[in-house]
Amino acid sequence: QSALPQPASVSGSPGQSITISCPGTSSDVGDYNSVSWYQQHPGKAPKLIIYEVNNRPSGVSNRFSGSKSGNTASLTISGLQAEDEADYYCTSYTSSTTTLIFGGGTRVTVL
Amino acid sequence: EVQLLESGGGLGQPGGSLRLSCSASGFTFNNYAMTWVRQAPGKGLEWVSSVSGNGGSPYYADSVKGRFTISRDNSKNMVFLQLYSLRVDDTAIYYCAKAAFSHYYYYGMDVWGQGTTVTVSS
Repeated sequence: QSALPQPASVSGSPGQSITISCPGTSSDVGDYNSVSWYQQHPGKAPKLIIYEVNNRPSGVSNRFSGSKSGNTASLTISGLQAEDEADYYCTSYTSSTTTLIFGGGTRVTVL
Repeated sequence: EVQLLESGGGLGQPGGSLRLSCSASGFTFNNYAMTWVRQAPGKGLEWVSSVSGNGGSPYYADSVKGRFTISRDNSKNMVFLQLYSLRVDDTAIYYCAKAAFSHYYYYGMDVWGQGTTVTVSS
């Protein structure tokens, strides 16, 4: 199963807002509210920043928000900061195959 | 503190086998599904396998089905991934991760280990 097609890179200036898309199908992203987002800094393990489409774990900045429209999920980072420079991955469940699928990852660059 | 610590990575031969282990602490282990995720050098994350809290329900990616086996020992707070029929493209960092919500491996993974590196080469 191919990875969800996230944009390879997104950039923004400090203080700006950026949005990363995670397009799927009616069998995965559009089916369940199971979309999660992970942040990964170089050489580090991934960190959960959004679960169930739009929920933030305790301790995650409220500058991170998630949403979904139809078969596409999105992650928005508002008030962009230098520390937000990292790779971001979405993931979704496919109920028909009971598998998880990750997005290909998006490199966020703070200009 | 909730922690996961992987071990068992190393060099494997094509066609060979390896066993990865993940030791958990700081939470009621048998209440949570556990997952293995891998990352090939310079590539993105790939879900490999998950197992339910009681170990009775394993789930696999197509790329490893029939070659990898996930299991857990709740008496020792450990989860394992047995890798058989190794291929060069199994080379990756393998992460162990805890389900954020009990037995639902697909609603997010909130704790990750530091990873263990598997290299498959002749």
